[in-house]
Amino acid sequence: GAGVSQTPSNKVTEKGKYVELRCDPISGHTALYWYRQSLGQGPEFLIYFQGTGAADDSGLPNDRFFAVRPEGSVSTLKIQRTERGDSAVYLCASSLTSGTTYNEQFFGPGTRLTVL
Amino acid sequence: AQSVTQLGSHVSVSEGALVLLRCNYSSSVPPYLFWYVQYPNQGLQLLLKYTSAATLVKGINGFEAEFKKSETSFHLTKPSAHMSDAAEYFCAVSDRGGSNYKLTFGKGTLLTVNP
Repeated sequence: GAGVSQTPSNKVTEKGKYVELRCDPISGHTALYWYRQSLGQGPEFLIYFQGTGAADDSGLPNDRFFAVRPEGSVSTLKIQRTERGDSAVYLCASSLTSGTTYNEQFFGPGTRLTVL
Repeated sequence: AQSVTQLGSHVSVSEGALVLLRCNYSSSVPPYLFWYVQYPNQGLQLLLKYTSAATLVKGINGFEAEFKKSETSFHLTKPSAHMSDAAEYFCAVSDRGGSNYKLTFGKGTLLTVNP
């Protein structure tokens, strides 16, 4: 079946602009995650959705970052007033419902964001 | 907070040689442990995971890892490297219980395989 997809694969924007990054999870996966991978680093957790609600947004770096998942499927990560330091690969993952039993997270290919 | 240390940002081996990628974690309670592989322009793929009693974990593509509590380590090995193993490898941890979804990754180790 289809895996996690992310669009666009590459996004170049100018400092101060607004961007939206989209994630389509695997069908039937109720849990969705966003991570950010800066150059030379491992992915860092940003936010976790269970269904439509953000169950844990503790990884969002500041209030310029926001994510939504209005119908419990597709998610959009929104970044306002982009800064050069936001340049990174943004990864999305999904899994069956998260709970006390670990469920494998399946990752998409990522969106490479470059802020000029 | 948990942390993961991967020793060696770049490891180079010859085809057919042993692969050993090192991972140490810091946690007061044994966490869940994972190894992921990332090929260029692809998403992270789970190689193997440690979530229960068996300390020697076998994964895909001939990789295995051993959880050693006394050494807080979870090193990844493969007896004989293949050219197709060239990729970046990430070790990750998560808490047990309700916050097990939050993966903390190491900085990664780039594996190159020489013919």
